[in-house]
Amino acid sequence: DTAVSQTPKYLVTQMGNDKSIKCEQNLGHDTMYWYKQDSKKFLKIMFSYNNKELIINETVPNRFSPKSPDKAHLNLHINSLELGDSAVYFCASSQGGVGDTQYFGPGTRLTVL
Amino acid sequence: DQQVKQNSPSLSVQEGRISILNCDYTNSMFDYFLWYKKYPAEGPTFLISISSIKDKNEDGRFTVFLNKSAKHLSLHIVPSQPGDSAVYFCAASVSSFGNEKLTFGTGTRLTIIP
Repeated sequence: DTAVSQTPKYLVTQMGNDKSIKCEQNLGHDTMYWYKQDSKKFLKIMFSYNNKELIINETVPNRFSPKSPDKAHLNLHINSLELGDSAVYFCASSQGGVGDTQYFGPGTRLTVL
Repeated sequence: DQQVKQNSPSLSVQEGRISILNCDYTNSMFDYFLWYKKYPAEGPTFLISISSIKDKNEDGRFTVFLNKSAKHLSLHIVPSQPGDSAVYFCAASVSSFGNEKLTFGTGTRLTIIP
């Protein structure tokens, strides 16, 4: 019974393609996040959603579009993939209160060739 | 602009001894600090946190110390165990209901030598 799950775990694709990464949490949390860990190991926030509403959007190219069909899911769609998009993408969730712990998924390693 | 820095990319400690991981930050607005532990091919796992109104928080073998004037925090693990070998990330946030983003350091790889 994984708390925060992501699919797929690995994704290898060609430049220019469009791909999606799915995230689901079964913790009953109100807030979900997407983080990107690049080749230099920097882990940086991309988006956060609270109850299906976009809260944080950190100057991410508009090729990246998060979609939250319900508060348990936050999917990440990436259009026209570029080499620089290669990274590990982590989904996380929290209750959304002040100082709440964020729980992370296992990550999706995206490789763009 | 790296607001959270972990200047030691790696640290090796003998089993049973104390491990001390350090973290510095530059943004004085940060008021909540966390340590996450990460094993290969897994997501970060929450370890311990501290609010800026405290200078110490302890949970079993793990203690986090916060020095606000120096903008420095540290994680002490004692005694260190082989299962503690992992990458440790320091993170900080500005408390904002429903709008909290964690700013992470680049991590320190801790290796516990049996």
